[in-house]
Amino acid sequence: EAGVAQSPRYKIIEKRQSVAFWCNPISGHATLYWYQQILGQGPKLLIQFQNNGVVDDSQLPKDRFSAERLKGVDSTLKIQPAKLEDSAVYLCASSLELLNTEAFFGQGTRLTVV
Amino acid sequence: GQQLNQSPQSMFIQEGEDVSMNCTSSSIFNTWLWYKQDPGEGPVLLIALYKAGELTSNGRLTAQFGITRKDSFLNISASIPSDVGIYFCAGSGGSNYKLTFGKGTLLTVNP
Repeated sequence: EAGVAQSPRYKIIEKRQSVAFWCNPISGHATLYWYQQILGQGPKLLIQFQNNGVVDDSQLPKDRFSAERLKGVDSTLKIQPAKLEDSAVYLCASSLELLNTEAFFGQGTRLTVV
Repeated sequence: GQQLNQSPQSMFIQEGEDVSMNCTSSSIFNTWLWYKQDPGEGPVLLIALYKAGELTSNGRLTAQFGITRKDSFLNISASIPSDVGIYFCAGSGGSNYKLTFGKGTLLTVNP
């Protein structure tokens, strides 16, 4: 069974530029999560989807971050414009369904904003 | 919001020793999960717990779901060098089953 796929693995951008990350969850997984992990900290949930609907986005900085999962499968997370403090690893995870929170993670995208 | 306090922040042990780490929450969780993260990788699920009082093992790892549903612990017995990494607890609860992570325990095993 293929795991959660994320791309790119690494990205370096200048502040005020925009960037997008892509995630393809495990086949059949209805719930998809985007986490931000700053160096030395635990993952922080940005947004949680159930199929193509948003379940929780309370910690998503909506003035600059957006995410979509239009067909209920793969998802993109965008940052526009980026700030220095957005430098982090962005992790995508998926689980079978909302009630089953055994989330499986991708390798993440390491973003550096200079 | 939900907050998890994970301790200790870091541990340095000798190979063969047992290690214990724990996590406490300010609110009740329905599920506790324990993950391990290696450098440059995403977290990998080790153990999942679903019932208060539940004790579950996975090889040398044992985890328990606290009776109050506000805490959990993870034990690793007879540690080996490949146990090195960051261990995270995570809990979910509430109406949206939001999965919240602790800050992690950095484990170093000296051969």
